[in-house]
Amino acid sequence: EIVLTQSPGTLSLSPGERATLSCRASQSVSSSYLAWYQQKPGQAPRLLIYGASTRASGVPDRFSGSGSGTDFTLTISRLEPEDFAVYYCQQYLSSFTFGGGTKVEIK
Amino acid sequence: QVQLVQSGAEVKKPGSSVKVSCKASGDTFSNSAISWVRQAPGQGLEWMGGIIPLFGTTDYAQKFQGRVTISADQSTTTAYLELSSLRPEDTAIYFCARVPSLYQNLWHDYWGQGTLVAVSS
Repeated sequence: EIVLTQSPGTLSLSPGERATLSCRASQSVSSSYLAWYQQKPGQAPRLLIYGASTRASGVPDRFSGSGSGTDFTLTISRLEPEDFAVYYCQQYLSSFTFGGGTKVEIK
Repeated sequence: QVQLVQSGAEVKKPGSSVKVSCKASGDTFSNSAISWVRQAPGQGLEWMGGIIPLFGTTDYAQKFQGRVTISADQSTTTAYLELSSLRPEDTAIYFCARVPSLYQNLWHDYWGQGTLVAVSS
């Protein structure tokens, strides 16, 4: 099973700041088999990024994904109030596994 | 427009079973797979298994093998998750989600609203 480790567990930032979230895989997931989701309290996850760097439909361009192999990054260039949420990475190279999540909270 | 609408909350006794449904709109069943993902209170997301409704083929996470059954009814475009031998640690929100491919694992682009299953004596 491919294990995904997300860091940090919690990120405390202010609106307008840049957020950098990390996702590390226990083995290579290539450059294409990694997705990012946003989840707000009481809601289902929302797809943000697939193929490591392709934004899903309707996702603002302040969200960007990068990386390949075992190291991936989700960057939010300037945090908006609605961006404070929990973010999960997911690999789909070998079955499906999710990372433990990073909570982006208001500082 | 793809919509996944799940059945309502359930309260179950330990040792019993639960069956959760997920009705898909549009032509989801002809071109997609359906996954089931659960989330325990305050915890992360956990993939349980999935089905390709068009072919009836299923795949389960090893953790749930033998205890979970995923099925689909093409006539009603509804997928089902049945979990048996329930224990308190199965208390979670259960989500169905669409994988937009019949032939390979991809991302989950549409999600149901979630169904709370509470297991308590």
